[in-house]
Amino acid sequence: AQTVTQSQPEMSVQEAETVTLSCTYDTSENNYYLFWYKQPPSRQMILVIRQEAYKQQNATENRFSVNFQKAAKSFSLKISDSQLGDTAMYFCAFMKPHQTGANNLFFGTGTRLTVIP
Amino acid sequence: EAGVVQSPRYKIIEKKQPVAFWCNPISGHNTLYWYLQNLGQGPELLIRYENEEAVDDSQLPKDRFSAERLKGVDSTLKIQPAELGDSAVYLCASSLGQSGAPRETQYFGPGTRLLVL
Repeated sequence: AQTVTQSQPEMSVQEAETVTLSCTYDTSENNYYLFWYKQPPSRQMILVIRQEAYKQQNATENRFSVNFQKAAKSFSLKISDSQLGDTAMYFCAFMKPHQTGANNLFFGTGTRLTVIP
Repeated sequence: EAGVVQSPRYKIIEKKQPVAFWCNPISGHNTLYWYLQNLGQGPELLIRYENEEAVDDSQLPKDRFSAERLKGVDSTLKIQPAELGDSAVYLCASSLGQSGAPRETQYFGPGTRLLVL
């Protein structure tokens, strides 16, 4: 079974600063996908960034980037130039590829990030 | 483009009563998911549909939960009878599934927050 661990229940960061959220996972698969989702207080889950395990290059999306360490099974999220709108729960998620391209997401327990003005 | 639509947003019922949640996925998305999110936890899959077929319902408590996706578009999740422990947020998500890219990305609705008294 796949497990996803987020060891930081809560974090805070000053506006405009950089913060890194940690995630580790356990799997015997070689090919898989990793995601970071953001869930603001309104509760709509929004995709932040995704990473394919077969790609060595770390994914980036504007202010968001990941540090993917496949051997260590680590997938951290770095948020640069933090903004007040980044305040939310952040979930790390794992997906094993399925032949149809759709499969189930396994989520961690989340990290509550607060950006302080 | 409209996102995943869910209704109602909030529901309060007494225990032993029935309740139903509705989800309309993003147009063209073949795969639909229902997740359960308990307070302070990450979402957990209840059931996954590919078109009108339930391909993974292993985590659905079938004694009281049921779901359907007639015509492979919108879906209904039902609980009968509801128990106190069912109080949670019920999230619906959809993905392209068999075609398109990135097929693996799931898009979430706002969720239905259920409170059972």
